[in-house]
Amino acid sequence: GAGVSQSPSNKVTEKGKDVELRCDPISGHTALYWYRQRLGQGLEFLIYFQGNSAPDKSGLPSDRFSAERTGESVSTLTIQRTQQEDSAVYLCASSLIGDRSGAFFGQGTRLTVV
Amino acid sequence: DQQVKQNSPSLSVQEGRISILNCDYTNSMFDYFLWYKKYPAEGPTFLISISSIKDKNEDGRFTVFLNKSAKHLSLHIVPSQPGDSAVYFCAASDGATNKLIFGTGTLLAVQP
Repeated sequence: GAGVSQSPSNKVTEKGKDVELRCDPISGHTALYWYRQRLGQGLEFLIYFQGNSAPDKSGLPSDRFSAERTGESVSTLTIQRTQQEDSAVYLCASSLIGDRSGAFFGQGTRLTVV
Repeated sequence: DQQVKQNSPSLSVQEGRISILNCDYTNSMFDYFLWYKKYPAEGPTFLISISSIKDKNEDGRFTVFLNKSAKHLSLHIVPSQPGDSAVYFCAASDGATNKLIFGTGTLLAVQP
């Protein structure tokens, strides 16, 4: 497709289990972001992949969170030993590095930890 | 440390009137500002942006104003339409990293 695609769209998991969220950015987009939106909250920055540079991981809330990106393609966000406070919508966005006209967002993955 | 702040969680206006959404920032290195609109169950979509070398940018019914000395920007929507009802997020980035930092959002409700 032409847009940013995220999967799954919804995920319910038991506390303590690991989850993996996937983001397919727009083809050719060298920058990729992960954000989290908890219920009633704003968009919380998690991690930023900027081409071949080292990713900016400054927003990851704990060492249970990690993200990978292979080249300029798919990214996966992994949450280990999920906790109830991890419940949120996880949003991925992509853009061209240097293109400051705005990043394109996927529809998000709604994660519910029960 | 909230670098981008939207102090009004919600705003209600009548159809046809002006909607003014406000945003404040603390990082003086920010040099590019954006507004995004978000409907429920969808990702945010880019609306309008402004570079710090300007103080106003207009696109149809949407105008963004930037006051660098006050570290404040606002989005004006006129005339407001019911379809404008959504959550509006302000975002900022600096030229060194281009990392987008978002505010907490303002829920706009346009009453018919």
